[in-house]
Amino acid sequence: AQSVTQLGSHVSVSEGALVLLRCNYSSSVPPYLFWYVQYPNQGLQLLLKYTTGATLVKGINGFEAEFKKSETSFHLTKPSAHMSDAAEYFCAVSERGGSNYKLTFGKGTLLTVNP
Amino acid sequence: EAQVTQNPRYLITVTGKKLTVTCSQNMNHEYMSWYRQDPGLGLRQIYYSMNVEVTDKGDVPEGYKVSRKEKRNFPLILESPSPNQTSLYFCASSRTGTSGGYTFGSGTRLTVV
Repeated sequence: AQSVTQLGSHVSVSEGALVLLRCNYSSSVPPYLFWYVQYPNQGLQLLLKYTTGATLVKGINGFEAEFKKSETSFHLTKPSAHMSDAAEYFCAVSERGGSNYKLTFGKGTLLTVNP
Repeated sequence: EAQVTQNPRYLITVTGKKLTVTCSQNMNHEYMSWYRQDPGLGLRQIYYSMNVEVTDKGDVPEGYKVSRKEKRNFPLILESPSPNQTSLYFCASSRTGTSGGYTFGSGTRLTVV
């Protein structure tokens, strides 16, 4: 069964600092990979995804993530944090060719941005 | 606007009183799914549907039922709610094929007392 590990349930950065949110997956075959963001009292919004091709993926709001097969990782980064980035972030995976198009989520990382 | 609509957004109910949370999507997606979100546990899949009249259990189906009589609608039914079903519920939809990711509804916060 697939699993997703997000290191750090809470990450705090200063405005303008680098944002790094870590995600590792466990799967015998590299899955499809996603990052979602959840703002308070809202649903989940897709930030970016990796399906195939270039391993560095750019998403919305200046975020990007790099798929590293050798490390089974898909870490999310942003060069300079804004106050508006404060939210909870979820890494998710989906099995390629699976019979259930299920997303398996990590437990989430709450990002706090300090002025 | 392409969206998944859930109702109600907030619900407080008593143990044992049947309730239904509705979910509707306007994107003609084949695949729909229900998740619950609990602190420290992330999101866990309750049920999913590959198309009309095709439903199956996810990881935490106990105490829930679903139906898919129309492509756009996928209600979640709690026939006898219990306090451990207090949670934040999300409906999501997708085209079949996992590369697209899901479109999520805004969530339903359910409290069972």
